[in-house]
Amino acid sequence: DGGITQSPKYLFRKEGQNVTLSCEQNLNHDAMYWYRQDPGQGLRLIYYSQIVNDFQKGDIAEGYSVSREKKESFPLTVTSAQKNPTAFYLCASSFRDRRGYTFGSGTRLTVV
Amino acid sequence: QKEVEQNSGPLSVPEGAIASLNCTYSDRGSQSFFWYRQYSGKSPELIMFIYSNGDKEDGRFTAQLNKASQYVSLLIRDSQPSDSATYLCAVIDGANSKLTFGKGITLSVRP
Repeated sequence: DGGITQSPKYLFRKEGQNVTLSCEQNLNHDAMYWYRQDPGQGLRLIYYSQIVNDFQKGDIAEGYSVSREKKESFPLTVTSAQKNPTAFYLCASSFRDRRGYTFGSGTRLTVV
Repeated sequence: QKEVEQNSGPLSVPEGAIASLNCTYSDRGSQSFFWYRQYSGKSPELIMFIYSNGDKEDGRFTAQLNKASQYVSLLIRDSQPSDSATYLCAVIDGANSKLTFGKGITLSVRP
């Protein structure tokens, strides 16, 4: 079955530590996206990529980094520069047209 | 900055009633419109999309689009407690495939 897989489901980060969230899709989608969701804030775009080896900053990119070396994969690194990383992180993918997104199941990151 | 506004909630309706969820958008170039449902602690799932002015029906759900008024709505008929969730309105413009989301409205259906 085609889908989009995020791992891990839960992640705990210590202060000053970098962590990487995985996102893999087998839908042959061209574009991939990372969102952050905080209670009452809706979805905020962190980074997106429309093609391999290219990506753009979203609205809240500071403290995050991404790579897009393969069409299927778009990992997100939360760096120590992100001062308030506790949130629900959602990865999504789509074709480069107007058909909308498919979301992964999310990663809940907590700073300990 | 392109904006998508959803009327503030939460919205509470009795079981069997019609729930009406509304959304306005700022970019007149917007071409595609989506409604996602998100249960607490889960990721959003697409329930309706609409491209053309008018109504689109799918089971108990009807999406309505009025491009002149920059307005899109979702009607849920015969509301069930299982419809209790947050509903996100999203819009694509003509330039790329990137969605702009509203903040969502939480619907509660009372048994």
